[in-house]
Order: sequence, then C-alpha cells, then structure tokens
Amino acid sequence: GQNIDQPTEMTATEGAIVQINCTYQTSGFNGLFWYQQHAGEAPTFLSYNVLDGLEEKGRFSSFLSRSKGYSYLLLKELQMKDSASYLCAAPSGGYQKVTFGTGTKLQVIP
Amino acid sequence: DTGVSQDPRHKITKRGQNVTFRCDPISEHNRLYWYRQTLGQGPEFLTYFQNEAQLEKSRLLSDRFSAERPKGSFSTLEIQRTEQGDSAMYLCASSPPAGRTEAFFGQGTRLTVV
Repeated sequence: GQNIDQPTEMTATEGAIVQINCTYQTSGFNGLFWYQQHAGEAPTFLSYNVLDGLEEKGRFSSFLSRSKGYSYLLLKELQMKDSASYLCAAPSGGYQKVTFGTGTKLQVIP
Repeated sequence: DTGVSQDPRHKITKRGQNVTFRCDPISEHNRLYWYRQTLGQGPEFLTYFQNEAQLEKSRLLSDRFSAERPKGSFSTLEIQRTEQGDSAMYLCASSPPAGRTEAFFGQGTRLTVV
C-alpha cells in the first residue's frame, strides 16, 4: 500500500520562499505528484517527479529522493494567491490508484 | 469548456435516500477516477475505470456505493440509503491513456446528508 505524510499547516510571508515536505512509503514506486487545491475548488496538477533531483517550473520546484522516500515542493516569491492546500500523491502500480496525503494548508501573510 | 464536468455541483438529501452523480471526463481520456474528500483531508480513492471496465474499487467503499461507465465515456456514482457520514465532496478525475498520468479533476459534487 501507500503511506504519505506531510505537515498539516504552514505559514509564510509574501515574497518569501517556503518548502513543503512529503515523505512516502509505497509498495512500488511510480513517481510522485504535487497538486494545489484552493478552498472549495478542485485540485490542479503542479508537478510529477519520477527521477531523483530537482525539477523547476517557474516559481514552483519539486524535488525527489527515491532512496529516502522524500519529496518537497519549493515555492519562491510567494504571492497571496499561493494560499492553498498542497497535496502530495503517489500512484500505485499501473496508475490505477493514486493515494493522496492529507495536504499541507499554506497561509501566505503580508 | 473541455475540462472534466460534474453534475450536480451540490446535492442535499435526506438520510436514507439514494443519490446519483454524473461525471463527464475530458473526451480523449480513457481513465476515470472517483474520489471522496472531507474537510481538511486529501482526496480518498474510491474507484477507477479504464474505458468501461471498473478495474479497482476501494475496500473502504461499502456495497451501498456503485459506479458505472457503460460506454467508456461518462460515469455515474450512486449512493444508496445515504448516511450522514456520506456527506463529503465527491471528485471525479480523468487522465489520458498513455504517458504521464496526471489526473485532471472536475469541480466536484458536494453532498450533504441531513
């Protein structure tokens, strides 16, 4: 099965950098997703990592270490609109089931 | 709009009633997922379809829940004899047949059982 852990809440200041961590235990590794979910809205895809290392996409970057079962999402130059929940998710073999973490609720303050 | 569409967006029902939700995935996506999400939690996997075949179903899903995708296009999720614990957001997602498999979510159906 899959087990995913991430912090419940974080607060950061507008313009700053924040790192949201995720640790996972999976029965078979098929990559790791990050999604953003604003309150009352559907999750939207941010990133997918299958190889070790950092992948950068604008203000957002995602890192993966398969040996450590660890990933993080890095948000730079925080904006108020980045206040949302950030979900770490791992697919099982064949991508038939994607298990989500509980999400990290990020609050960006002025 | 070519995104994932769910109907209705909101549903209030009395305990014991049956409800049915519909999901229309992105047209070229053959994979379809149903998730349930409660406040403060991440989406919880319910079931998965590849085309019209239901390939996986969560053990958490009681026999009051059933899902279909008869022609491999839209899907329905039915909950029979609803209970207050069924109150949640029901999310549908779809993904393409090959390559990267990030799921595209619909806006969800918020169910309130009173």
